[in-house]
Amino acid sequence: RKEVEQDPGPFNVPEGATVAFNCTYSNSASQSFFWYRQDCRKEPKLLMSVYSSGNEDGRFTAQLNRASQYISLLIRDSKLSDSATYLCVVTGVNFNKFYFGSGTKLNVKP
Amino acid sequence: DVKVTQSSRYLVKRTGEKVFLECVQDMDHENMFWYRQDPGLGLRLIYFSYDVKMKEKGDIPEGYSVSREKKERFSLILESASTNQTSMYLCASSSFGTGGTEAFFGQGTRLTVV
Repeated sequence: RKEVEQDPGPFNVPEGATVAFNCTYSNSASQSFFWYRQDCRKEPKLLMSVYSSGNEDGRFTAQLNRASQYISLLIRDSKLSDSATYLCVVTGVNFNKFYFGSGTKLNVKP
Repeated sequence: DVKVTQSSRYLVKRTGEKVFLECVQDMDHENMFWYRQDPGLGLRLIYFSYDVKMKEKGDIPEGYSVSREKKERFSLILESASTNQTSMYLCASSSFGTGGTEAFFGQGTRLTVV
C-alpha cells in the first residue's frame, strides 16, 4: 500500500472556479504535512504546510483530518497561473523522511 | 534563501558508465535526499542521509550508491548505468527537528542513458 495516495486528475476547471484536492496517508504516526506545487519540468516547491487547526494563505486553504488520515487543499478563484501538479507530502515519525503522493494535475482554462 | 544546487541540469551517458550526480546545499541541513521522478510513479526515494557518512536506503536503492563526506554535499552514484535509470533525479535537503520543516529541492538533473 502506498504511503500517500492522491487522485492524479487532471482536474480541468475554468478561471474563477473553486477546486478541492484530497489525499490520504497510511501511517497514523505521520508527523508533518505539506502541499507542494510542481510546474512542468521544474522541481517541487512548498505551497503550504498543513496544520490540524487548518490554515489559509490567500486563496489557498489546507485542512488536516488526523482521525480519517486525509489532507485537503482548496483553491478559490482559480487563476491560469495555478495550473500545475499539486503534491501531497507527509513526513515519517522522525521527521527525516518525506513521502510524496504521485500528484494531482490541475489545468485552469480561460 | 535556502539553496540546493545540482551539478547538471541535463546529462547523457552510455550504458555501463559510472555516473556521478552531485548536490550541494548551503543551509547547514542535516538531512539530504535523492529521489527519482518518473511519469505516473511520482517521486521515489533512492537514498537519504541524516548526517555525514550516514546513509539509509530508500524505496529503490538497487543500482545506486551514495556518498556524504561533508555535511553540505550528497552524491548519487550509478555504478553501471542502464537504460531503465533514465529519469529525472531530484536532490533535497531539510533540517532535522520537531518543527516539521519542509524539504527544499534542487532544480533536478534529467539523465538519459543510451
